[in-house]
Amino acid sequence: SAVISQKPSRDICQRGTSLTIQCQVDSQVTMMFWYRQQPGQSLTLIATANQGSEATYESGFVIDKFPISRPNLTFSTLTVSNMSPEDSSIYLCSPTSGETQYFGPGTRLLVL
Amino acid sequence: AQSVTQPDIHITVSEGASLELRCNYSYGATPYLFWYVQSPGQGLQLLLKYFSGDTLVQGIKGFEAEFKRSQSSFNLRKPSVHWSDAAEYFCAASFSGGYNKLIFGAGTRLAVHP
Repeated sequence: SAVISQKPSRDICQRGTSLTIQCQVDSQVTMMFWYRQQPGQSLTLIATANQGSEATYESGFVIDKFPISRPNLTFSTLTVSNMSPEDSSIYLCSPTSGETQYFGPGTRLLVL
Repeated sequence: AQSVTQPDIHITVSEGASLELRCNYSYGATPYLFWYVQSPGQGLQLLLKYFSGDTLVQGIKGFEAEFKRSQSSFNLRKPSVHWSDAAEYFCAASFSGGYNKLIFGAGTRLAVHP
């Protein structure tokens, strides 16, 4: 199975600042999904990122707030911009390829 | 709209008792269905999945799930629960085929009494 790492694993940030979360996979994957899990809630898809194309955002999420990069098939970043306390969540990347899907360990973000 | 419903927010069972967690999906065609477990402070782990074929699927850790098209359900079962099964369980569906974007249910938190 693939090894997925996310950095940082957790962070405490001030409102108005931005944080970039990195997701690294030890093998090439076709698609990269980014999910958010707000406290006590289920997972909600933020966007889908494929290499070489713009990320596709779900309803309620916009590129200006959550810009995503996918420079190659093993790496992706999600930035949470102009943060507010409502952005306090766990952010998970989900590398997916064919019949195989993984979830990263998550980045736990607290915005004060 | 596409949705996944887990009617039970919390369930408490005694160790050794049987367990059934409910999951219903809403859509015209049969989605691909998954059950995940999330232990406190841990990541998501796939328990089992259903794409097609035999409607009773076996997973890891002694779990199984049965797909019932007539009820739009995919309930998770375990005949004898262990204390280590205490966790949050999520049912999820892919309405776009295969491992595509997933819609998650709200989750069921399982507590196990000794």
